[in-house]
Amino acid sequence: DVKVTQSSRYLVKRTGEKVFLECVQDMDHENMFWYRQDPGLGLRLIYFSYDVKMKEKGDIPEGYSVSREKKERFSLILESASTNQTSMYLCASSYNYGYTFGSGTRLTVV
Amino acid sequence: DAKTTQPPSMDCAEGRAANLPCNHSTISGNEYVYWYRQIHSQGPQYIIHGLKNNETNEMASLIITEDRKSSTLILPHATLRDTAVYYCIVRVTFGNEKLTFGTGTRLTIIP
Repeated sequence: DVKVTQSSRYLVKRTGEKVFLECVQDMDHENMFWYRQDPGLGLRLIYFSYDVKMKEKGDIPEGYSVSREKKERFSLILESASTNQTSMYLCASSYNYGYTFGSGTRLTVV
Repeated sequence: DAKTTQPPSMDCAEGRAANLPCNHSTISGNEYVYWYRQIHSQGPQYIIHGLKNNETNEMASLIITEDRKSSTLILPHATLRDTAVYYCIVRVTFGNEKLTFGTGTRLTIIP
């Protein structure tokens, strides 16, 4: 089975901190994605990547950046965390039709 | 990608078939219908997808109308573990890989 592993299940950071959320997949998938999920708003796409060193903006990229130096790893970066970035963050990878999601990182910015 | 319309919530008795509808009246000829579900506090899980023929796998069946403007996901014998939010998504499979989620249907299985 494909595994998508997110480094932290819960994270608490202070306003203004630089935050790194890490995601690793073990099945050599080319496509990787970062979503955030908020009550009443569903899942929204932040960034995605089709290949190493490639990145594309999703629907809500503001305040975020990403890094993909290796195929298996896709990092989401909050340059200066703010309270409105408190959310559940979900990473996914895909080939062809199936997406596999990680368990999520619940980030709280205080 | 075409938009979808799903009821916000449904209940189903344990052991009965759960039928979850989805309208996608603006679907294009090259767009597939996908279903995912999200159990509380977990990431979404792929269930099934189809283009125009009915599909079945070990988790569910997918019935797509002949005009492809709507579909139904069927869980044949619902269990309590099927309580989740179910998302119907239409998208092109190859090329544009983005998956856009709506708000889905919250399915509650009643003991």
